[in-house]
Amino acid sequence: DVKVTQSSRYLVKRTGEKVFLECVQDMDHENMFWYRQDPGLGLRLIYFSYDVKMKEKGDIPEGYSVSREKKERFSLILESASTNQTSMYLCATRTSGTEQFFGPGTRLTVL
Amino acid sequence: AQSVTQPDIHITVSEGASLELRCNYSYGATPYLFWYVQSPGQGLQLLLKYFSGDTLVQGIKGFEAEFKRSQSSFNLRKPSVHWSDAAEYFCAVSTGANNLFFGTGTRLTVIP
Repeated sequence: DVKVTQSSRYLVKRTGEKVFLECVQDMDHENMFWYRQDPGLGLRLIYFSYDVKMKEKGDIPEGYSVSREKKERFSLILESASTNQTSMYLCATRTSGTEQFFGPGTRLTVL
Repeated sequence: AQSVTQPDIHITVSEGASLELRCNYSYGATPYLFWYVQSPGQGLQLLLKYFSGDTLVQGIKGFEAEFKRSQSSFNLRKPSVHWSDAAEYFCAVSTGANNLFFGTGTRLTVIP
């Protein structure tokens, strides 16, 4: 079974803080993704990575950056958190097929 | 541009009743189609997928979905709903490569 883990299930941060969300997968998948999920909007892609040190912007990259130094780990960084970044963040991985495998999510609250 | 529409935001069914969740997509060719389920506070779990071939696909937990090209639809069905099926359901479409477009989800409530 594919296992995708996220460093925190719940996180509370203050406006202006730098926030790191970590995602780790154990299946040697090349592709990793970060989504945010908001009620009524479904899932929206923030960034994805198709290889170590490679990244591509998704649909809503503003206010976010990512890092992929090792194949199994993909980090989402909020340089200066704002209240409109309060959301559920989901990490996913994909290998050569199209199916994506999701982690349990991190619910981030920015006060 | 690709888009996915789930017209029902919230559906309530009685336990044991049948279920159909609607999904329509907009894309010029036949995309890859998926249904995911999300239980409260959890990530997404794949229920089933359609890539090609038989247009009626079977998934986990007794779910099935039918691809209808003429209607650009991929509706999810279950003949008898269980209380544990209460969750949010997402239809998703991929045209290949690194894209996966999600609908806005349908929340299912099951009443005893």
